[in-house]
Amino acid sequence: GENVEQHPSTLSVQEGDSAVIKCTYSDSASNYFPWYKQELGKGPQLIIDIRSNVGEKKDQRIAVTLNKTAKHFSLHITETQPEDSAVYFCAASILGYSTLTFGKGTMLLVSP
Amino acid sequence: NAGVTQTPKFQVLKTGQSMTLQCAQDMNHNSMYWYRQDPGMGLRLIYYSASEGTTDKGEVPNGYNVSRLNKREFSLRLESAAPSQTSVYFCASSTLPGQGANGYTFGSGTRLTVV
Repeated sequence: GENVEQHPSTLSVQEGDSAVIKCTYSDSASNYFPWYKQELGKGPQLIIDIRSNVGEKKDQRIAVTLNKTAKHFSLHITETQPEDSAVYFCAASILGYSTLTFGKGTMLLVSP
Repeated sequence: NAGVTQTPKFQVLKTGQSMTLQCAQDMNHNSMYWYRQDPGMGLRLIYYSASEGTTDKGEVPNGYNVSRLNKREFSLRLESAAPSQTSVYFCASSTLPGQGANGYTFGSGTRLTVV
């Protein structure tokens, strides 16, 4: 089955800096890669996703890049703000076929 | 539009007791899931239901049973609770098994402590 590795486990940045979280996956058949944000005491919420036919996707201050050859994908947050502080999870699946396999999560702390 | 609703939000059980966690979605999603979240372990799939009438084991099914009562409701049962089942449990739903139009929608979780 799919295995998703996520790094780093914790990340501390100053407000205004950029943050990058990286994930690798094992199953070359995986073609869907979402990112979730989990705020304290809440369930994870989808923030951005990318499919394997696209190399990069942006939504305001967040972007995701995908390297299919190397089987890794990354989340980039620019101009970080304190409200970006949360746990972020990457995941992978085969669209419409397999369930999502999640990474272990990254706790992002943005200091004012 | 409530999305995914989980009950209860908090529960304390004694070892050996049983309980059922309830989950309901109002988005007409086909697939539903139960995950547990433990520190440093991420989200691990317990059971899922790809469509009404079907259920399948996930990564960590031991000690749990599920029922897909109808398209809206998917319950998780602990028959004889153990301290190792202390965790936060999340229910989720999606249009398709892998991903729906907007990915998985998660509930707000049930924090379970087994003493």
